[in-house]
Amino acid sequence: DAGVTQSPTHLIKTRGQQVTLRCSPKSGHDTVSWYQQALGQGPQFIFQYYEEEERQRGNFPDRFSGHQFPNYSSELNVNALLLGDSALYLCASSLLDRNYGYTFGSGTRLTVV
Amino acid sequence: DAKTTQPTSMDCAEGRAANLPCNHSTISGNEYVYWYRQIHSQGPQYIIHGLKNNETNEMASLIITEDRKSSTLILPHATLRDTAVYYCIVRVDGINAGNMLTFGGGTRLMVKP
Repeated sequence: DAGVTQSPTHLIKTRGQQVTLRCSPKSGHDTVSWYQQALGQGPQFIFQYYEEEERQRGNFPDRFSGHQFPNYSSELNVNALLLGDSALYLCASSLLDRNYGYTFGSGTRLTVV
Repeated sequence: DAKTTQPTSMDCAEGRAANLPCNHSTISGNEYVYWYRQIHSQGPQYIIHGLKNNETNEMASLIITEDRKSSTLILPHATLRDTAVYYCIVRVDGINAGNMLTFGGGTRLMVKP
């Protein structure tokens, strides 16, 4: 049973560019959350998607947007990249009404130069 | 969600029990204690959770004090592969719980031969 799959694993972008990160949730899960993890810090919640709609959003600017598809997969888009956006971006899938059993992917390491 | 306090780092000898404390003195009655860990270069992994009773699964045991203001995660026979950052998270469960996991700094556990 495949867990959460994220692509790409590593990415280098230039300031001002746009980036799209992708996530396929664990089989049977209907909810996808995205987290940003800066070096040496814990993950910070960006937003969560369920039934193709954003249910909750953390303290991130509008440059960060997302989408969920009918097959529950999800994309994270970041526009006008800043150097400070360099981080590990983690996708977590779950069932909507369960906080335990979040399954995280291994993340996409984004470097902005 | 209640705030948690964890030691920054701990060492444990291989084969011995690792006892990781977490203080959550402001926990409310409907909040659960969750533990996740993050091994280097991987996403966080769910370990265990509990409300007020002690819990045990194949990975670990969770001991919650009677007043619920603190808890201890126990890895009974630590191995080198248990070297990771361990996060204690306190939050409610269920569909109306809100959607994000709030990660603090966690405890960096180093298991030594």
